[in-house]
Amino acid sequence: DVKVTQSSRYLVKRTGEKVFLECVQDMDHENMFWYRQDPGLGLRLIYFSYDVKMKEKGDIPEGYSVSREKKERFSLILESASTNQTSMYLCASSGGGGQPQHFGDGTRLSIL
Amino acid sequence: EDQVTQSPEALRLQEGESSSLNCSYTVSGLRGLFWYRQDPGKGPEFLFTLYSAGEEKEKERLKATLTKKESFLHITAPKPEDSATYLCAVQGGNSGYALNFGKGTSLLVTP
Repeated sequence: DVKVTQSSRYLVKRTGEKVFLECVQDMDHENMFWYRQDPGLGLRLIYFSYDVKMKEKGDIPEGYSVSREKKERFSLILESASTNQTSMYLCASSGGGGQPQHFGDGTRLSIL
Repeated sequence: EDQVTQSPEALRLQEGESSSLNCSYTVSGLRGLFWYRQDPGKGPEFLFTLYSAGEEKEKERLKATLTKKESFLHITAPKPEDSATYLCAVQGGNSGYALNFGKGTSLLVTP
C-alpha cells in the first residue's frame, strides 16, 4: 500500500512565523502535491512537483513556497504565517498521468 | 476551464436504502475521473478511477459509472459505516497531473 506521511497532525503557530510542513511518500512517485481544504471551498491546489527540484504553481500559491530536494520528500513553507492560512493541509503523491493521487492524513494548522 | 459539480451536498439515508451520488464535469481531454472517500479528520481515501464513458467499477456496496458528462456513485444497501464525505475529481485539460475536485457529498447512513 502507498503510504504518505505528514509530519504533524496538529500544529499551532503565531502570525508572522515561518512554518514548515513536511510530507514523505514511500512509493517512488514522481509527482507530489499540496492542497488546502476549507469548509465550503473543497480542496484547492497550492503547489505541485513533477520531479526533484521542480515545482509548479497551483490555484492558490500566494503566501506559500515549496521545496523538493529528494524524490520522496515535499515540503510546504508558509513564509510569514497569517490567520487566513488557518486550514487543513493535505499532501498527496501519484505516478504518471491517469494514476490516482494518494493522500496523507493531513495537518490541521492554526495560526493565532 | 475544468469544472466539477457534485450533488447533492448532503444526503441522509436509512440503513439499506440505496441511492446515487452525482458528479457532473466539464474537461477537455479527460485522463481520468476519480472517486474518494473522506472520513472526518482524515485525508481522502482512493476508491475508483474511471477512464472512458461506459466504464464501471465496483467495490463492495459501491459502484461507479461514467458518461461523457457525469459520473454516478451508486450505494447499494448502505450501512452506517458508509457514512463519510465522497469526493469526485477529474484530471485532464491543461491541468497536467493535478486533480480538480468537486466540493463533495456528505453522506449519513442511520441505523
